[in-house]
Amino acid sequence: AQRVTQPEKLLSVFKGAPVELKCNYSYSGSPELFWYVQYSRQRLQLLLRHISRESIKGFTADLNKGETSFHLKKPFAQEEDSAMYYCALDSNYQLIWGAGTKLIIKP
Amino acid sequence: KAGVTQTPRYLIKTRGQQVTLSCSPISGHRSVSWYQQTPGQGLQFLFEYFSETQRNKGNFPGRFSGRQFSNSRSEMNVSTLELGDSALYLCASSRTGEGSPLHFGNGTRLTVT
Repeated sequence: AQRVTQPEKLLSVFKGAPVELKCNYSYSGSPELFWYVQYSRQRLQLLLRHISRESIKGFTADLNKGETSFHLKKPFAQEEDSAMYYCALDSNYQLIWGAGTKLIIKP
Repeated sequence: KAGVTQTPRYLIKTRGQQVTLSCSPISGHRSVSWYQQTPGQGLQFLFEYFSETQRNKGNFPGRFSGRQFSNSRSEMNVSTLELGDSALYLCASSRTGEGSPLHFGNGTRLTVT
C-alpha cells in the first residue's frame, strides 16, 4: 500500500540549531515526493520537490530509495521556520500525505 | 497572477442538507483537485479533474461528487450531510496534475450541525 509516514507530530528546536523532519514512504515504483509547508494563517504551499534538487529557504531534502526516506533538513533553524510541514507522495493524479509535523523554533 | 480562489470561506449546514463548494484555479491551470482536511484523518484526497474529466477519485462515499467546467473552474457537492463531513475542504490547481506542484486555495470550512 502507498503510504507516507511522518513519525513526529511535534518538533521543537532552538534557533540556530539544525533541523531534521523525517518522512518515510511506501511506494512500488519511482516516487515523486514533495514537502509542503503551512505557515500560521497562510495557505498550504510547496516548499520543495525532490526532482528539482534545489534548496528553498535553506531547506534541502534528499531522496534515499534504500531507506525509502525523504527527510527535510536545515542546518540552522530560524524563528520564521515555525510552521506545519507535510511530506507528500504523488501517485495517479493525487497526493498521499503524511500526518504532518509541527515545527516550533524557540528563540 | 491571482491565486486559487475558494468560495465560500465558511459554511454551516444541518445534517441531511446538501452543499456545493466552488473553486477557481490559477489562470492556465487545467488540473483541479480536492482534499478534505480534518484533525483526525489529516489530508485526504477526494478527486482530481483535468479538462472536465475526472481522472481519479479517493475513497469517499458517493455522496461526494464533483465536476469541472470548460473554464477549469470546479465545484464539489456533498449530499445528505453527516456530522462527520465537518472539515476544511481544500482545492488545489496545477498545470497538468501529473507530478506538477499544487497551488492551494484557503479552503472552505464546513460545519455540519
